[in-house]
Amino acid sequence: DVKVTQSSRYLVKRTGEKVFLECVQDMDHENMFWYRQDPGLGLRLIYFSYDVKMKEKGDIPEGYSVSREKKERFSLILESASTNQTSMYLCASSPRTESTGELFFGEGSRLTVL
Amino acid sequence: DAKTTQPPSMDCAEGRAANLPCNHSTISGNEYVYWYRQIHSQGPQYIIHGLKNNETNEMASLIITEDRKSSTLILPHATLRDTAVYYCIVPPYNTDKLIFGTGTRLQVFP
Repeated sequence: DVKVTQSSRYLVKRTGEKVFLECVQDMDHENMFWYRQDPGLGLRLIYFSYDVKMKEKGDIPEGYSVSREKKERFSLILESASTNQTSMYLCASSPRTESTGELFFGEGSRLTVL
Repeated sequence: DAKTTQPPSMDCAEGRAANLPCNHSTISGNEYVYWYRQIHSQGPQYIIHGLKNNETNEMASLIITEDRKSSTLILPHATLRDTAVYYCIVPPYNTDKLIFGTGTRLQVFP
């Protein structure tokens, strides 16, 4: 089974702190994604990556950056956390195939910024 | 992206079939229909996808109308564990950029 592992299930940080959310997948997938989920807004795409060292902005990249130095790892970085970044963060991965919508998600990281 | 429309909520009795509709009237000829579900406090889980033919797997069946403008996800014998939010998604062709709307909240009751 594909496993997507997010480093922390729950985090509490203070405004202005630098926050790292780590995601690792074990199925050699080319594609990786970061979403955030907020009540009433569904899942929104922050950043995605189709290959090592490649990244593309999603719908809401402001206030975030990402790093993909290895194929299996995709990190989301909040340079200076703010209270409006309190959310559930979901990482996903997928193989590069013709029908490319089969994403495998991690369990999520619930971040609270005080 | 092809826009999808789903009812916000549905109920289903345990053991009965749950039929979840989705409208995607602007779908293009080479775009697939995907279904995911999200159980409370977990990440979304892929269920099934299809292009134009009906599909079935161990979790569900997907019925796509001939004109491809709508589809129905069928859970043949719903259980309490099927209580979740179900998302119907049509990503642009050859891209993984999925847009998750607010889905249908399915409540299975005893």
